[in-house]
Amino acid sequence: GNSVTQMEGPVTLSEEAFLTINCTYTATGYPSLFWYVQYPGEGLQLLLKATKADDKGSNKGFEATYRKETTSFHLEKGSVQVSDSAVYFCALSDLQTGANNLFFGTGTRLTVIP
Amino acid sequence: NAGVTQTPKFRVLKTGQSMTLLCAQDMNHEYMYWYRQDPGMGLRLIHYSVGEGTTAKGEVPDGYNVSRLKKQNFLLGLESAAPSQTSVYFCASSESGTAAYEQYFGPGTRLTVT
Repeated sequence: GNSVTQMEGPVTLSEEAFLTINCTYTATGYPSLFWYVQYPGEGLQLLLKATKADDKGSNKGFEATYRKETTSFHLEKGSVQVSDSAVYFCALSDLQTGANNLFFGTGTRLTVIP
Repeated sequence: NAGVTQTPKFRVLKTGQSMTLLCAQDMNHEYMYWYRQDPGMGLRLIHYSVGEGTTAKGEVPDGYNVSRLKKQNFLLGLESAAPSQTSVYFCASSESGTAAYEQYFGPGTRLTVT
């Protein structure tokens, strides 16, 4: 079946530190991969995505590369800001049902301190 | 555009009571989804719809019913609430069902069943 495993949190970093949040997946087909972000009191927002092997998704200084050989999609940012404090979800899509159903990881809470 | 809105934001029910959660989107999207978010489990798909008048089961459909009588609205019903349905419920919509189309999420409804 489809599943996503992501790094346990919470993660606390100082401003301008380097961020990595690990994400690995198992899939029956050939999925697309996503990172969603949830700011306090809000719904999830798409941060970035990759639809095939070796694709790199990037947005707002965040990036992640689709690695088929290691079934991974780790999220990275070179210099985090206080405004990046949020919960980050790794997800994959399964198109076998005909709809873009998303399978989510458990989420990683990031807190950035000044 | 308001995007995706959910009503109500919070609700407390007693075991056995019923209620309906309303999701509305103003983006003319074909696809709509209901997820639940539980601690340590990420988001899981309850039901989804690929167009007006259609519904389909997701990963955890038991105890819930849905209806899509109008394209812009997707209703989630609990006929007889149970404590296991205590969760945060998110609605989402997308233009189409492929990975190329982003899912847009509402702000969530926090439901407690006592």
